[in-house]
Amino acid sequence: QITLKESGPTLVKPTQTLTLTCTFSGFSLATTEVGVGWIRQPPGKALEWLGIIYWNNDKQYSPSLKNRLTITKDTSKNQVVLTMTNMDPGDTGTYYCAHRLVQWFGALYLGWFDPWGQGTRVIVSS
Amino acid sequence: IQLTQSPSSLSASVGDRVTITCRASQDISRYLAWYQQKPGKAPKLLIYAASTLQSGVPSRFSGSGSGTDFTLTISSLQPEDFATYYCQQLNSNLALTFGGGTKVEIK
Repeated sequence: QITLKESGPTLVKPTQTLTLTCTFSGFSLATTEVGVGWIRQPPGKALEWLGIIYWNNDKQYSPSLKNRLTITKDTSKNQVVLTMTNMDPGDTGTYYCAHRLVQWFGALYLGWFDPWGQGTRVIVSS
Repeated sequence: IQLTQSPSSLSASVGDRVTITCRASQDISRYLAWYQQKPGKAPKLLIYAASTLQSGVPSRFSGSGSGTDFTLTISSLQPEDFATYYCQQLNSNLALTFGGGTKVEIK
């Protein structure tokens, strides 16, 4: 059974750097084609994909946030860390991590986010 | 890439047939998933590859489409289906963008 859980501060001040940790079990980030993604959701708003890291350390970031984001992994600890710099009140929301396995499905090479962690709330306020 | 969902919200009754649309700003073949999210909960995968039902998801849910136009259909809305639904593009060569969501409310 795959599980993921996000952890980190609930309250951060504007301009500070946010660091969130995703601790997972039931899979390894040393396994080919596996990735862990980050997604956030402002209160009452839509999901926003932030970025993803893969088993081979390839990373992909949202174009609108790539200058502020860093995703790293510690395979031995089964953890992925999201760092977001220069936090703003507009970054308030729930942050999720999720498992992604990319595979051939017919002629398609794709992967979806499943399962997700429970999410962690982050408030940006002075 | 942008995904535009319509409508942004809808009201329906139990037993109704509900259709939600997701339009991509460029051709994404069948690289699309649908998720269901209930208040205070993480999203749950319903459909991937545009039309393949995730294991354990009721058969009243179905997906169709290819290219730029996709639909999620609930054939007979049940009380537990009142939620917000999101589409997501799954091509790893592009940003893994989500649509803006469609909230399904009780009429």
